[in-house]
Amino acid sequence: KAGVTQTPRYLIKTRGQQVTLSCSPISGHRSVSWYQQTPGQGLQFLFEYFSETQRNKGNFPGRFSGRQFSNSRSEMNVSTLELGDSALYLCASSAGGRDSPLHFGNGTRLTVT
Amino acid sequence: AQTVTQSQPEMSVQEAETVTLSCTYDTSESDYYLFWYKQPPSRQMILVIRQEAYKQQNATENRFSVNFQKAAKSFSLKISDSQLGDAAMYFCAYHVRAGTALIFGKGTTLSVSS
Repeated sequence: KAGVTQTPRYLIKTRGQQVTLSCSPISGHRSVSWYQQTPGQGLQFLFEYFSETQRNKGNFPGRFSGRQFSNSRSEMNVSTLELGDSALYLCASSAGGRDSPLHFGNGTRLTVT
Repeated sequence: AQTVTQSQPEMSVQEAETVTLSCTYDTSESDYYLFWYKQPPSRQMILVIRQEAYKQQNATENRFSVNFQKAAKSFSLKISDSQLGDAAMYFCAYHVRAGTALIFGKGTTLSVSS
């Protein structure tokens, strides 16, 4: 089975712009979660989607949004980028059951200048 | 507050030796799942081992095993017969169930020398 695929691997954007990151889960997985990783804050939960519905959301401003499509692929959007949004964004998929482990992708490295 | 503490920012071990990484967590839930993830320079977070809190038996996966002490809220990872490929950042994490936030520690950087 192919793993979780995130595109692009690297992004450089300017403050004030918006960006969209993409995540393709493992085939058959219906849950997709997004995490932000920074040296200062570590790994923080953004949100989780299951069958196109957002089930859980972390403590991030409304500039961070996401969606999931019928094929379980997910996108994350960040509007009005700030310098502090520079981070590694990790996507993870799971089968969605209570005890299903998360399988992560390689992440998208976003740099805001 | 839900927290995970990894008290060792860095650890080092010789090849073929054994090393233990520490982790403590704080939760008011009685049922939850604990994980150790490995993140090499490639950035991908790789699941090393998982433990269901309702199971008393410690999980093992080949050279990796855990010491789970539920009352003490402790979940340490033991790596036996360390290999150069084990060098990475290791994260301890837990969640109540899949779909909820996975709470991560700050990580322990493990270096392995020959």
